[in-house]
Amino acid sequence: GAVVSQHPSRVICKSGTSVKIECRSLDFQATTMFWYRQFPKQSLMLMATSNEGSKATYEQGVEKDKFLINHASLTLSTLTVTSAHPEDSSFYICSASPDRDNQPQHFGDGTRLSIL
Amino acid sequence: QKEVEQNSGPLSVPEGAIASLNCTYSDRVSQSFFWYRQYSGKSPELIMSIYSNGDKEDGRFTAQLNKASQYVSLLIRDSQPSDSATYLCAALTGGGNKLTFGTGTQLKVEL
Repeated sequence: GAVVSQHPSRVICKSGTSVKIECRSLDFQATTMFWYRQFPKQSLMLMATSNEGSKATYEQGVEKDKFLINHASLTLSTLTVTSAHPEDSSFYICSASPDRDNQPQHFGDGTRLSIL
Repeated sequence: QKEVEQNSGPLSVPEGAIASLNCTYSDRVSQSFFWYRQYSGKSPELIMSIYSNGDKEDGRFTAQLNKASQYVSLLIRDSQPSDSATYLCAALTGGGNKLTFGTGTQLKVEL
């Protein structure tokens, strides 16, 4: 149980393109989902907390107009990287946990984004 | 001060040995703790959860929690080369389900 599906797994696109990444909880409902970014050989960095039916909460230094988050249902959150540039190239990972107390987060397989 | 601290390593152990990974946390109200394994280029995978003081065993893995010392550890018995990965310690703090992660310890199991 507690499977999180993320796609696409890899995106290669030109500078200026907007890229949408989907994160789905397959067998549980998740009011809250999380979006992380990880650069090579670095730690996971939390970008934002996605809240179903309300605005996302962004971590300090993360541009909310650059990284648009939509959490329209209890099983789906999307992250859109708008007008992506080479410095946005990274490994983006989502996570979610069931809506019960003290639950671990389960991660999607991640999306490797390469902006040319 | 980081909320969850881990030694970045690398920690090198020979095949068959016990690997001991350690983590400390600063928020005394933390109740739940998790260990994740992350292979290079992959996303983290949950391997252990621990909620109360003492030991919790699952196969070759044992998680240990000491809330008085604010210390969590993960022991891997009979280490295998396939255990080589980065191990992330995480604590559930401040209510909700937002985890605070350590920076991870890189484990290398050598033949």
